[in-house]
Amino acid sequence: NAGVTQTPKFQVLKTGQSMTLQCAQDMNHEYMSWYRQDPGMGLRLIHYSVGAGITDQGEVPNGYNVSRSTTEDFPLRLLSAAPSQTSVYFCASSLAGTEAYEQYFGPGTRLTVT
Amino acid sequence: GDSVTQMEGPVTLSEEAFLTINCTYTATGYPSLFWYVQYPGEGLQLLLKATKADDKGSNKGFEATYRKETTSFHLEKGSVQVSDSAVYFCALKGAGTALIFGKGTTLSVSS
Repeated sequence: NAGVTQTPKFQVLKTGQSMTLQCAQDMNHEYMSWYRQDPGMGLRLIHYSVGAGITDQGEVPNGYNVSRSTTEDFPLRLLSAAPSQTSVYFCASSLAGTEAYEQYFGPGTRLTVT
Repeated sequence: GDSVTQMEGPVTLSEEAFLTINCTYTATGYPSLFWYVQYPGEGLQLLLKATKADDKGSNKGFEATYRKETTSFHLEKGSVQVSDSAVYFCALKGAGTALIFGKGTTLSVSS
């Protein structure tokens, strides 16, 4: 049971490049989400999904796309990277619903856009 | 909308000192409240949670009580250790599944 895995751990992009951050979980969780963590800002929700084929926007969705074709995977796509997207990105998963389920976080991807 | 406010850091303590990190929230209804901890270079881990008023969450010597009347969920530990050095996040979960986080408080404990 690997939990939530993210790849890559580190990435450097040039402005305008695109890339996909990978996230996978093996706990059969319905809910998956992406956060970005910036100094002094805490974690801000980018996109989330409550199940395969269902995605929705969070607080800061601009410049990012997601899809959820399987329960296990929830990739985050940067369409045209900008320096403002330099951040640490965390993927998380949990059971869905109104209960206070624990969210499990991946180890993060540190992205630098030059 | 829902929000979480926690005390600014960093908090610097000596080993065995008492710790309090303040957290207050704004939410409609009755959210569930959480404290997550992030050790250097790692993702976040759940530290403790409380789901209704007057509930006390506890784990690893840390405690927090859900106070509806003051909309607070302050984190406390009686005697901190160097290994407690980390960033602590207060969070709430309202009607949906998404967590709303505070900005985080960095704790540094020296021996």
